[in-house]
Amino acid sequence: GAVVSQHPSWVICKSGTSVKIECRSLDFQATTMFWYRQFPKQSLMLMATSNEGSKATYEQGVEKDKFLINHASLTLSTLTVTSAHPEDSSFYICSAYRDRGGDTQYFGPGTRLTVL
Amino acid sequence: RKEVEQDPGPFNVPEGATVAFNCTYSNSASQSFFWYRQDCRKEPKLLMSVYSSGNEDGRFTAQLNRASQYISLLIRDSKLSDSATYLCVVNMWGRDDKIIFGKGTRLHILP
Repeated sequence: GAVVSQHPSWVICKSGTSVKIECRSLDFQATTMFWYRQFPKQSLMLMATSNEGSKATYEQGVEKDKFLINHASLTLSTLTVTSAHPEDSSFYICSAYRDRGGDTQYFGPGTRLTVL
Repeated sequence: RKEVEQDPGPFNVPEGATVAFNCTYSNSASQSFFWYRQDCRKEPKLLMSVYSSGNEDGRFTAQLNRASQYISLLIRDSKLSDSATYLCVVNMWGRDDKIIFGKGTRLHILP
């Protein structure tokens, strides 16, 4: 089945540093990918929709200058958390639809970010 | 055994009927459980959290059975607008945080 991977799976960083998270569709092309975050015991929150070759669409309340999204190819989207702070500590999850492949959404395993 | 399993369906149900589906999970350390609703090619939206005591929200009832390791979703008096894919999501928090998505159950409400 279709697989979406994320790297790294977990990261610990100091406050003020930037962290890049990669989301890859391993065996299919994905024009559109989604980035979510989830705080412990809370629901998923959509942050942005990542579109290959164009700017990401951010949800209301999500700072586009803080959460930089780059969808440079049909199999890779990156989320960079700039100048991370402890309140950015969360689980970041990406997902993708297979292009021309129906409406099944494939989720990555998530990246656990801890900002000290 | 898959970590989270759902019957993919589709469930074709006449409007007004009651429909229920389950989601089984393999890890007894799972702590949080959710049902999400997902419309075609859109992001999933939280339908309801699932508590040990069971919870109800209007026509929707969710239950957790820890002994048998499954959660269920019951929809009463189904509406055409209930047609969607229902995702089961299981979380574990602690030393190794994990979030596991089911593949979803497709529901079609027929007029």
